Amino acid sequence: AQSVSQHNHHVILSEAASLELGCNYSYGGTVNLFWYVQYPGQHLQLLLKYFSGDPLVKGIKGFEAEFIKSKFSFNLRKPSVQWSDTAEYFCAVKGAGRRALTFGSGTRLQVQP
Amino acid sequence: EPEVTQTPSHQVTQMGQEVILRCVPISNHLYFYWYRQILGQKVEFLVSFYNNEISEKSEIFDDQFSVERPDGSNFTLKIRSTKLEDSAMYFCASSNLGTSGRAGNEQFFGPGTRLTVL
Repeated sequence: AQSVSQHNHHVILSEAASLELGCNYSYGGTVNLFWYVQYPGQHLQLLLKYFSGDPLVKGIKGFEAEFIKSKFSFNLRKPSVQWSDTAEYFCAVKGAGRRALTFGSGTRLQVQP
Repeated sequence: EPEVTQTPSHQVTQMGQEVILRCVPISNHLYFYWYRQILGQKVEFLVSFYNNEISEKSEIFDDQFSVERPDGSNFTLKIRSTKLEDSAMYFCASSNLGTSGRAGNEQFFGPGTRLTVL
């Protein structure tokens, strides 16, 4: 069975600080990887996704993530966070050929002005 | 920008009652999904639906649950006899075929329906 672990449950940063949120997954085959964001009072939105090719993927709002196959990791990064990045961030994995997304438990990011 | 909509935003019901949660997926999407998130827990997959049949389901999706696409726009989740532990946020999602012809692309999520079972 596939699973996703997000190591940080709650992260507090000051504006302009760099961000890295960890995500590790467990799955025995080819995977598609996603980061979703949920801003307060809003629904889940896709930040970025990895299917194949360049393991460094860039998403919206200056976010990027790197797929490291040997470490089963897909960490999310942003060089300089803004107050508007305050949200909950979810890593998700989907086995190739499957429909279901398996989500991590989420990381609540709080950016202080 | 097209989006997935869900109604109602909040549903309160008594244990043992039937509830129907409604979703309108993005109009040109062909894959539909239900997920749920119990308070404080992970978002969990329930079921996916394609071509008028269930294509995948989790062990959570037992005989108490059913899904239906009653017309060309709505996608519903029915819980026949609600239990206290069914209290959760239920998310609908949809996706298109993707360039490879598989449901590999982004799943677009609705805002959710908060179900409270008393």
